[in-house]
Formats: sequence, structure tokens, C-alpha cells
Amino acid sequence: EAEVAQSPRYKITEKSQAVAFWCDPISGHATLYWYRQILGQGPELLVQFQDESVVDDSQLPKDRFSAERLKGVDSTLKIQPAELGDSAMYLCASSLNTGQNEQFFGPGTRLTVL
Amino acid sequence: GQQLNQSPQSMFIQEGEDVSMNCTSSSIFNTWLWYKQEPGEGPVLLIALYKAGELTSNGRLTAQFGITRKDSFLNISASIPSDVGIYFCTGTASKLTFGTGTRLQVTL
Repeated sequence: EAEVAQSPRYKITEKSQAVAFWCDPISGHATLYWYRQILGQGPELLVQFQDESVVDDSQLPKDRFSAERLKGVDSTLKIQPAELGDSAMYLCASSLNTGQNEQFFGPGTRLTVL
Repeated sequence: GQQLNQSPQSMFIQEGEDVSMNCTSSSIFNTWLWYKQEPGEGPVLLIALYKAGELTSNGRLTAQFGITRKDSFLNISASIPSDVGIYFCTGTASKLTFGTGTRLQVTL
């Protein structure tokens, strides 16, 4: 069964360090999303890619967060420097295309910043 | 911006009982999706609704897209322990907006 892959599953880091998360969407899915989910809340969109292009990064804190999807397949989300408030679950999702509302989520990366 | 309110916030039920939860929005949505999330995992898509008034079933789950396009409900019949989790409604207009979630606990 096709799944969205994410790694690592868990990451513990100290504040001011750099962290990176990786996502491999379902094969053939052109649209990729990164979400942040704070404990007890629903996911919030950080960035959306259509192929290798950013479609929406309006909620991405661009002073410390960056995301890329160079070849339009897998993607990396980076935080530098990490802050205590960045502790959250980071979820990746993919869909066939923008406008295809059914998004399929990966297992997430749980980040803890100490 | 768009807000989705889910109710109830949490439910404690006994195995075998039926469950009903709903979601209301301040805005009109084109699509309603229901996801379930278990601890430490990503959300899993349960049901997708695309048309006002649409009623869709997936096994013991039934969901409806409200006529006003501002609400949706999800019913689970004959609950079992593996139904435990957080259920999120999501709606799409320009992008996916998640509700606040309904936490379901099932006791034996």
C-alpha cells in the first residue's frame, strides 16, 4: 500500500541548533504539504508545493524555517535555529494535485526542543 | 479566517454504543473530510464528502455534508476499542482547515 514516508520519527535537540526533517510522498503525487501540529490542536499548514514550486508559504516563519522540494519528489523542512516553541509534531502530506482535496499524511516527526 | 468548531470536545462511551459528532464552520466549504488520528501517528482519512446533502458510509462510519455547506456530522455505529482516537473534521475552500478535534475514548 502506498504511504507517505517521514524521517526521523523523533528528534530531540537543544535550542539554537539546526534540525531537518525529510518526507517522501506517495509516488505520483504532485502536491506536497508540511504541517505543524501542536499538542491538543489540529494541524496547521506551513508550506505547500506543487511539483518543485512553492504554492503557499504564508504561514511559514521564514526567518528560521525553510523548505525545499528540488526535484519535485521528496522534500526537506529545516529549522535553524530551533526555539523552545518549535516543539511539535511535524506532518507531511501529499495529494495527487492541488485542488485534489484528499490529502494523505505520513506518521510525522515529533520534535522536542530543550 | 475560517474556523471550524467540533463538538463534543471529548466523549467517553462504552463498547457497542453509537457515536455522533459534528463540525460547524463560519464559512462555506466545497469539501468536507473526516480524519482519525491515533497517538503519535499522522491523521488517516476516513471519509470524503464533495456535495451538499451527500451522505457517505465507510463500514461502521457514516458522514453527511450539510445542506448549508457550513456543517458536517460523523456517526460511528457499534463502537469498538480500536475506535479510540481524535477525530478531526476538515473543510476546504482554498486550503484544508482542520477542526479542533473530538477525542473519543471507548471503555469495555
